[in-house]
Amino acid sequence: EAGVTQFPSHSVIEKGQTVTLRCDPISGHDNLYWYRRVMGKEIKFLLHFVKESKQDESGMPNNRFLAERTGGTYSTLKVQPAELEDSGVYFCASSQRTGSSYNEQFFGPGTRLTVL
Amino acid sequence: AQTVTQSQPEMSVQEAETVTLSCTYDTSESDYYLFWYKQPPSRQMILVIRQEAYKQQNATENRFSVNFQKAAKSFSLKISDSQLGDAAMYFCASQPYGKLTFGQGTILTVHP
Repeated sequence: EAGVTQFPSHSVIEKGQTVTLRCDPISGHDNLYWYRRVMGKEIKFLLHFVKESKQDESGMPNNRFLAERTGGTYSTLKVQPAELEDSGVYFCASSQRTGSSYNEQFFGPGTRLTVL
Repeated sequence: AQTVTQSQPEMSVQEAETVTLSCTYDTSESDYYLFWYKQPPSRQMILVIRQEAYKQQNATENRFSVNFQKAAKSFSLKISDSQLGDAAMYFCASQPYGKLTFGQGTILTVHP
């Protein structure tokens, strides 16, 4: 079974440009999460999808970030326009949706974003 | 609000020895889960071990075990018989439901 995949693995862009990150969750996983780790700091939650709906977007830093999950499969995270402080590693994770309060989150390898 | 603190930015251990990574957390929730994740260099983060807060018994997974002190809000990870493959960044995390709250991470170096 394929794990969570993310594309691209690295992205280097100029300040003010737009970047779109993609996450493909494990097939059948309704829950999809985006996290971000800014250099040297902790990994922070950005948002959570259940299928195509945004369940929790309390971690989105500002309106320059737009996440979508059309059709409830893959998700994209667009940063427009990118700022220097957006540099970091963006992780995606997915989990099954069951009746349990716990569902293991499986992480992708991350996308390293560098804004110059 | 959830907070997780890892006070050890770096730790090192000799192969075959034992090492303990520290983690403290704060939460207002009565029911929650605690985790240790491992991220080897240039590889994906994987779950090492999890603990349900309502369980008093400490979780164990082969060479990995935790010391869960609920009243002290402490959740340390003990790695026994350390192996070279244990070298990685280790993250402690908490979860009442849904999103995970992570600590800053501890880089573990294993010396042969």
